[in-house]
Amino acid sequence: NAGVMQNPRHLVRRRGQEARLRCSPMKGHSHVYWYRQLPEEGLKFMVYLQKENIIDESGMPKERFSAEFPKEGPSILRIQQVVRGDSAAYFCASSPRADVNTEAFFGQGTRLTVV
Amino acid sequence: AQSVTQPDIHITVSEGASLELRCNYSYGATPYLFWYVQSPGQGLQLLLKYFSGDTLVQGIKGFEAEFKRSQSSFNLRKPSVHWSDAAEYFCAVGAGTSGTYKYSFGTGTRLKVLA
Repeated sequence: NAGVMQNPRHLVRRRGQEARLRCSPMKGHSHVYWYRQLPEEGLKFMVYLQKENIIDESGMPKERFSAEFPKEGPSILRIQQVVRGDSAAYFCASSPRADVNTEAFFGQGTRLTVV
Repeated sequence: AQSVTQPDIHITVSEGASLELRCNYSYGATPYLFWYVQSPGQGLQLLLKYFSGDTLVQGIKGFEAEFKRSQSSFNLRKPSVHWSDAAEYFCAVGAGTSGTYKYSFGTGTRLKVLA
């Protein structure tokens, strides 16, 4: 059973371009979480999705950021018109349930660099 | 809302010495607590977790943590540190309402191990 797969591992974008980050959860997991880690900081929750639904997006910036988790295929975190401040590591996690006592498994992250 | 404080940003210990990393949490109900380790350029690996029961929790790689409700703490310990333990360590608290949950992470403690 493969772990949480994120791609690409590294992504370089120029200011104003779009960034698409992909996350394939573990087999059997229908709950996906995205976190952002800015340099020298801890991880900050961004969004929680189930298949085809956004459950909690309280950590998402209001503009330029969107996330989806379609019925088929990976979850996508999309950042439009990237700026230097978007440079960070973006981690995806998945779990089979949303119980508070169910751990989430993390991917290795996508490191976005905006130049 | 829940929060986590890791008071030590950097800790340096000699190989073979004991280790304690501090974590304090704030949460109004029973917390679900986790310790993760992140090696440079890697994702997060779960070391151990506390949901309920015995307040002394054993994890992987010889780590343990003790939940102390009276002190709102969940400190991570290891009796003898190995050079391969050099990494960044994150404490997290999980909590959720209405069927959702999300972790709140501390800002991390970077561990350096001297030969």
